[in-house]
Amino acid sequence: SAVISQKPSRDICQRGTSLTIQCQVDSQVTMMFWYRQQPGQSLTLIATANQGSEATYESGFVIDKFPISRPNLTFSTLTVSNMSPEDSSIYLCSVETVGYGYTFGSGTRLTVV
Amino acid sequence: DAKTTQPTSMDCAEGRAANLPCNHSTISGNEYVYWYRQIHSQGPQYIIHGLKNNETNEMASLIITEDRKSSTLILPHATLRDTAVYYCIVRVVGSSGGSNYKLTFGKGTLLTVNP
Repeated sequence: SAVISQKPSRDICQRGTSLTIQCQVDSQVTMMFWYRQQPGQSLTLIATANQGSEATYESGFVIDKFPISRPNLTFSTLTVSNMSPEDSSIYLCSVETVGYGYTFGSGTRLTVV
Repeated sequence: DAKTTQPTSMDCAEGRAANLPCNHSTISGNEYVYWYRQIHSQGPQYIIHGLKNNETNEMASLIITEDRKSSTLILPHATLRDTAVYYCIVRVVGSSGGSNYKLTFGKGTLLTVNP
């Protein structure tokens, strides 16, 4: 299955600032997915990132708050903008791997103070 | 995607088989059943998936009822490291793009393996 490297693994940020999370895959993939997992909750899909096109956002998530880049087939970034304590979550990227379903990164644990 | 129902939590003794049930009574004919697990503070890990037939791999077995309305994930010899939240998900395979590609996570089952 694909190997995903996600950076940073954790961060503590001041409210009002922004954090960019990087996701690097060891193989070319068409679609990359960004999820959020709030404390004690299950995973919620934020958006899907296709290379060469605008990301597709799920209901409740907007591009101004969570801008996504997808410059090539192995890399994507998610920015959490103008952060508030409610944005404290684990953010995960994921890719679909043939025969293995979806592979997930180890996540970025974000705390906003 | 069809909705799934799982027990909130289960306990299992170390070395015994862990049988995790999942109901998916509204599953469509082209939807697969996927199982993932999430060990505390890690990203979800793929376990197994299947359509109609029972499946087995090095991690687990998946038993799907003939009417496909429910399934059971079996960990044959549970260890303490199998303590995790287990998610049962149904979705269409091979439909990247559109609304069917998403993995929709429910609350899952917290399996606790006890010594």
